[in-house]
Amino acid sequence: DAGVIQSPRHEVTEMGQEVTLRCKPISGHNSLFWYRQTMMRGLELLIYFNNNVPIDDSGMPEDRFSAKMPNASFSTLKIQPSEPRDSAVYFCASSRTSGRETQYFGPGTRLLVL
Amino acid sequence: GDSVTQMEGPVTLSEEAFLTINCTYTATGYPSLFWYVQYPGEGLQLLLKATKADDKGSNKGFEATYRKETTSFHLEKGSVQVSDSAVYFCALSDEWGKLQFGAGTQVVVTP
Repeated sequence: DAGVIQSPRHEVTEMGQEVTLRCKPISGHNSLFWYRQTMMRGLELLIYFNNNVPIDDSGMPEDRFSAKMPNASFSTLKIQPSEPRDSAVYFCASSRTSGRETQYFGPGTRLLVL
Repeated sequence: GDSVTQMEGPVTLSEEAFLTINCTYTATGYPSLFWYVQYPGEGLQLLLKATKADDKGSNKGFEATYRKETTSFHLEKGSVQVSDSAVYFCALSDEWGKLQFGAGTQVVVTP
C-alpha cells in the first residue's frame, strides 16, 4: 500500500514568493495533519482535518499560512508571501479516524526560503 | 496544556549496549503515548504505542511501559545495533488525535 505522499520533496524559493505544498493521505484515512519541524521549535502541529473539514488551525503561525482539503485524497498547505523564517521541513500525516489513532507520516517537504 | 519532556541527546552507544531514553509527560486527560523514530532524511515512523496505564508497547526489540503513577513512558532496548541510529520522539495524543511531541533524542550507535 502506498503511504502518505508529499510533493515536492525539496523546494527552494525567494522571499515573497508563494509556496504550495501538497499531500495525498493514505486511502481510507479520514484525518489529516500538517506539521512543521525546525531545529528551534521541534515538531509543531499546524492544522488538522477530519473528513476534509479543518478542525483546529490554532497552530498556523499567521495569516500567511493557509491549508485546504478539497477532497479526501488531497490537501495543500500554502504560504504567501514566504519568508526566510518559514524554512523548515513540513510533514503531512494521516490516520484512519480521529482520536488516538496512529498517524502515518509522509517523507516531508524541505523548504528553504532565501 | 499537555507537554512531553524527553532526555536530551545525542546519546552515543557502542553496538550491543543497553539503551534507555527517558520520557515524562504532563496531560490533563488520559492520553495515548507513542514513540516515533526518524531516520536521516525521512519522515517519522511509529515505533510503538500504549493506550492506557500499565500497557507495554513493543516492536523491533524496543519496549516502553505506560506508567501513570510516574507519568513516564521510557524507551528501552537491550542490545542496540548500528541500524538503530536515528532520532527518537516521545509523543502523546489527546482525545482528538493531536500529537504533542518531545524535542527528540538523537541516538548514535558505533560499531
